Amino acid sequence: SAVISQKPSRDICQRGTSLTIQCQVDSQVTMMFWYRQQPGQSLTLIATANQGSEATYESGFVIDKFPISRPNLTFSTLTVSNMSPEDSSIYLCSVTDSSNYGYTFGSGTRLTVV
Amino acid sequence: GENVEQHPSTLSVQEGDSAVIKCTYSDSASNYFPWYKQELGKRPQLIIDIRSNVGEKKDQRIAVTLNKTAKHFSLHITETQPEDSAVYFCAANAGGTSYGKLTFGQGTILTVHP
Repeated sequence: SAVISQKPSRDICQRGTSLTIQCQVDSQVTMMFWYRQQPGQSLTLIATANQGSEATYESGFVIDKFPISRPNLTFSTLTVSNMSPEDSSIYLCSVTDSSNYGYTFGSGTRLTVV
Repeated sequence: GENVEQHPSTLSVQEGDSAVIKCTYSDSASNYFPWYKQELGKRPQLIIDIRSNVGEKKDQRIAVTLNKTAKHFSLHITETQPEDSAVYFCAANAGGTSYGKLTFGQGTILTVHP
């Protein structure tokens, strides 16, 4: 399965600022996803990162708050913009290769907004 | 869209006992059902998955069963060990495509007492 490098692993940020999270995969993958996991909760899909086009956002998530880039088949970024304490969470990228249904997760970014 | 319900939210067993976690899904087109184990502070790890063309799959102490008619699937762990203690998530893919987004259940905190 694909190996994912996600950076940063954690960060403490001031409210009103932005943080960009990177996800690098060791092979070309069909789909890349960004999830949020709030403390003690399940994983909620933020958006699907589409290569060469705008991301597809889930209900409750908007591009202005969570801009996403995917310039190629191995790399994507998620930016958390104008942060507030409510954005404190773990953010995870996930990838899948359509050939085997397998979905793999990055190690996550633990974000604390103060 | 897909909705996945998971029960129970917490499960406590004695070492050596069996544990069963159940999930139901709403999208009849879903055809891929993975189970993830998440230890504290770590990423979700795939432990077993099943596709809709089979009714049961087993891997050593872990098995998954699927009832497409009733739209539910279950995780069975036999001879539980303390290292099985973790949060377990079920998931289902959207739209029956091999690269469709996953929707996750709410999670089950499994505690195995020595």
